[in-house]
Amino acid sequence: GAGVSQTPSNKVTEKGKYVELRCDPISGHTALYWYRQSLGQGPEFLIYFQGTGAADDSGLPNDRFFAVRPEGSVSTLKIQRTERGDSAVYLCASSLQPPPNTGELFFGEGSRLTVL
Amino acid sequence: AQSVTQLDSQVPVFEEAPVELRCNYSSSVSVYLFWYVQYPNQGLQLLLKYLSGSTLVKGINGFEAEFNKSQTSFHLRKPSVHISDTAEYFCAVSEIVGSNTGKLIFGQGTTLQVKP
Repeated sequence: GAGVSQTPSNKVTEKGKYVELRCDPISGHTALYWYRQSLGQGPEFLIYFQGTGAADDSGLPNDRFFAVRPEGSVSTLKIQRTERGDSAVYLCASSLQPPPNTGELFFGEGSRLTVL
Repeated sequence: AQSVTQLDSQVPVFEEAPVELRCNYSSSVSVYLFWYVQYPNQGLQLLLKYLSGSTLVKGINGFEAEFNKSQTSFHLRKPSVHISDTAEYFCAVSEIVGSNTGKLIFGQGTTLQVKP
């Protein structure tokens, strides 16, 4: 597709369960970012990949959160032992240029996670 | 640490009236500045960006913003709004440092409500 694709668009799970959220960036984009957007807030940075490696994971809130990008394209955000406070929209973005890029990120529509 | 403050959570305005959405930032280093727009049920889209040069930048859909370094502001303006401008607007910064990963720090967002 032409844009950043995220699946699932909606995910409802129970407290304590494991979830995976997938991001398929724009073809050829080497930089990939995950953000989390809670209700009424702006997106909050989680992790940045340049190619296959996580170049900056300073935004991951704790060790329950993990992300991979094994082949430098599709990325998966993994959340273990989900908590109600993890409920949010998880946004993925990609960028053509590696840093220092000029910040033109292309965002997907997000995956809305609800933890009951 | 850098931060972004959007001074108005909601801005109601009548169609064809001018509008200004305010944004102030705090950073110990120079920054790039951005405005993103999020229409209902869509992903974030870049409206405009300031990287260097002229402090007045023009973006899509008739929007413009002015960078004021002394006031650390980057307010967004449009001389005449349309119903279709109803959306959530986010101001964001990216620090200009050697280790820049291109990650964005977002404000809390401003909901622009254009009334007929």
